[in-house]
Amino acid sequence: DVKVTQSSRYLVKRTGEKVFLECVQDMDHENMFWYRQDPGLGLRLIYFSYDVKMKEKGDIPEGYSVSREKKERFSLILESASTNQTSMYLCASSLRSAGGPTEAFFGQGTRLTVV
Amino acid sequence: SQQGEEDPQALSIQEGENATMNCSYKTSINNLQWYRQNSGRGLVHLILIRSNEREKHSGRLRVTLDTSKKSSSLLITASRAADTASYFCATPPSSNTGKLIFGQGTTLQVKP
Repeated sequence: DVKVTQSSRYLVKRTGEKVFLECVQDMDHENMFWYRQDPGLGLRLIYFSYDVKMKEKGDIPEGYSVSREKKERFSLILESASTNQTSMYLCASSLRSAGGPTEAFFGQGTRLTVV
Repeated sequence: SQQGEEDPQALSIQEGENATMNCSYKTSINNLQWYRQNSGRGLVHLILIRSNEREKHSGRLRVTLDTSKKSSSLLITASRAADTASYFCATPPSSNTGKLIFGQGTTLQVKP
């Protein structure tokens, strides 16, 4: 059974802390994604990675960075957490294809609260 | 950049009725995908329709794609209470990328 696993289901951090959200997939997928989901705003893409050490900014990269040192792991880093980063964070992965994006598999989400 | 936008934002129907959700997008695409999200969970892929396809079926789901109008629709027939969820369409921001951009979603409530 294919799996995308996010390290935490719920997380509470303090303003100014450096926060790491980890995501691991076991499907040998080239593409990995980080989204945040807020009520009324849907899913917004933060970062996209199409290979090890390769990344592209999404629509809302400010305040975030990412790391992809190994194919199966994609980390989202909040350099200095702020209350406006309180949100649901979703990781996903998919196969790379010349024919456009393929089916994405999602993790269960991390609900982050910054206090 | 909001590529796909769903309509309506919310839909409430009785069990047994059909539910139709629409998605409009802005640029040319290779394919369009629909996903479902149960409350507080990750998304689950439902169906992918390629740009050269006009209609696709999967069980009680029927998806249509009109590339001339840059729109797609998802029809759920004979809805059940268990279909209560949010539904999202997803498209690439341009035709040569693996990125997936999601719309804001349609929240469907099916009343028993």
